[in-house]
Amino acid sequence: NAGVTQTPKFRVLKTGQSMTLLCAQDMNHEYMYWYRQDPGMGLRLIHYSVGEGTTAKGEVPDGYNVSRLKKQNFLLGLESAAPSQTSVYFCASKAQLDTEAFFGQGTRLTVV
Amino acid sequence: GENVEQHPSTLSVQEGDSAVIKCTYSDSASNYFPWYKQELGKRPQLIIDIRSNVGEKKDQRIAVTLNKTAKHFSLHITETQPEDSAVYFCAARGGFKTIFGAGTRLFVKA
Repeated sequence: NAGVTQTPKFRVLKTGQSMTLLCAQDMNHEYMYWYRQDPGMGLRLIHYSVGEGTTAKGEVPDGYNVSRLKKQNFLLGLESAAPSQTSVYFCASKAQLDTEAFFGQGTRLTVV
Repeated sequence: GENVEQHPSTLSVQEGDSAVIKCTYSDSASNYFPWYKQELGKRPQLIIDIRSNVGEKKDQRIAVTLNKTAKHFSLHITETQPEDSAVYFCAARGGFKTIFGAGTRLFVKA
């Protein structure tokens, strides 16, 4: 039972490069989220999706784009990476709004 | 939008003592309040949650209280053990978003 899987686990980018983080869940969850975690700042919501084909902005959406073409996948894109985007990124999914969020194992991204 | 404040940022207790972490939220429409534990290098995992129609919930050594009027909720851990050492996050759901507090790093000294 895989749950929520993020790809890749680690990545180093140069400033200005682009990349896509993949989140895949096998629990048939409707709701999916991307968070970034920085020391002392907790988990901040970047974008979220309430179902296939939908996306919406969270607390810190600037510099990121997302897509949810398939229910099981939620992609996070960085078009032009900046050092300020160095962080640990977590994807999460949940079946209903007031239920447990299941997190992926995280992606550690460093932008140099 | 929703804002969640969490205190303290760091908490150190002796094994066997109790630990209390407090959170406040801004959106009076919020009605679901989960707590997550994150061990070093691991993903956050749910330890307990409470809905707005309940004032208190307990699960073995952990309990959560909610005061909707004051927009406060708290996590209580009794008889702390070294394996309770971790970062704890409170969260509040308003609309489709779940917003997290900044986290509390709990140290339990043996």
